Amino acid sequence: QSALTQPPSASGSPGQSVTISCTGSSSDVGGYDYVSWYQQHPGKAPKLMIYEVTKRPSGVPDRFSGSKSGSTASLTVSGLQAEDEADYYCSSYADTNNWMFGGGTKVTVL
Amino acid sequence: QVQLVQSGAEVKKPGASVKVSCKASGYSFTTHYMYWVRQAPGQGLEWMGRIDPFNGRTNYAQKFQGRVTITSDTSITTAYMELSRLTSDDTAVYFCARGFSYASDFWGQGTLVIVSS
Repeated sequence: QSALTQPPSASGSPGQSVTISCTGSSSDVGGYDYVSWYQQHPGKAPKLMIYEVTKRPSGVPDRFSGSKSGSTASLTVSGLQAEDEADYYCSSYADTNNWMFGGGTKVTVL
Repeated sequence: QVQLVQSGAEVKKPGASVKVSCKASGYSFTTHYMYWVRQAPGQGLEWMGRIDPFNGRTNYAQKFQGRVTITSDTSITTAYMELSRLTSDDTAVYFCARGFSYASDFWGQGTLVIVSS
């Protein structure tokens, strides 16, 4: 099982938007609407930001949004803030009760 | 409030086994899967497997089949992950995480496992 493909880095200035892609296959991202996104600050546990492609858990700012087209999912962070600087990981349910993670994207706020 | 509290750091020799615990509180333990995810130093997240505490059923990532065992004890609302035949490649932080709609909404603090001779 190969990891989902994410760009290693992305950046934007405060107030701008940044979009991170997550590419899989028909066996995972493309086959199910069970894509989730996690934010991880250094030395901390991951935090769920998006689940089921587009849904935000309680307490997550609406600056974070998710989408999917075919086998590629995306996370958009609008109105970038300094505290958004972190690593972001996508995850997807995959065939036969498996889960896949992307390799992670480091977001830098310039 | 939901809390997942993991056991402390471990240092193991190659070939040994390690068992990490995850004590859950603040919710009904048997109504959510418990997932295990690891992260090697400077690397990404890797899904290892999950357990349904309600019936003990497990699913494991193919990579860890035969080497990982995930169990739970509902009487003390604790999940366990045991990994055997350790090598240096197993040096990582191991997380437990509560299952929520095919994702994980609450995570433990992580347990560092170092494999070194």
